[in-house]
Amino acid sequence: GAVVSQHPSWVICKSGTSVKIECRSLDFQATTMFWYRQFPKQSLMLMATSNEGSKATYEQGVEKDKFLINHASLTLSTLTVTSAHPEDSSFYICSAHQGLAGGGGGYEQYFGPGTRLTVT
Amino acid sequence: AQSVTQPDIHITVSEGASLELRCNYSYGATPYLFWYVQSPGQGLQLLLKYFSGDTLVQGIKGFEAEFKRSQSSFNLRKPSVHWSDAAEYFCAVGGTGTASKLTFGTGTRLQVTL
Repeated sequence: GAVVSQHPSWVICKSGTSVKIECRSLDFQATTMFWYRQFPKQSLMLMATSNEGSKATYEQGVEKDKFLINHASLTLSTLTVTSAHPEDSSFYICSAHQGLAGGGGGYEQYFGPGTRLTVT
Repeated sequence: AQSVTQPDIHITVSEGASLELRCNYSYGATPYLFWYVQSPGQGLQLLLKYFSGDTLVQGIKGFEAEFKRSQSSFNLRKPSVHWSDAAEYFCAVGGTGTASKLTFGTGTRLQVTL
């Protein structure tokens, strides 16, 4: 099956600094990727939809100036957490959309392994 | 707006027993439905999905789910649980289109006793 990687798998940064998380589709091209945030023992909350070659679409309540998303190629989307604060500590997961062969509108989202961000 | 409800936060079953995890959805049109499994500190793995056709879908690891439109449900089942099935299970709903967003339920944590 399709593979999505994330880098780094975990990162610790100081408050006020920025950190970049990469999401790559390794064996397929993804015009659309998604970024989720997950708090401990909670569900995934969609932060934004990342579209290759265009601006990301952010969900309501997500600060677009704080969570910068760049989808520069068909296999790479990046999430930059700017001026990080302890409340930004979380598990960030990306996914890549792939339509299924044969049409019919079917698709799958392939998820990366996640990035654990800790802001001290 | 689409939504997913997983009524059971935590379920404990004995190894070898059968399992059913409940999922109810709200969606204005024909939904696309998914079940994912997540081990601690890991990403999500797709167990199965429903787009159309046969309402009983088979997935990996011996799981199956049945789409019941009249009940707006998509419950996950397994006839005999293994200790390695202990994990968090998420039901999700999405729509049609080339890049549809998924909405996840709150998850059900499965504990398996030996």
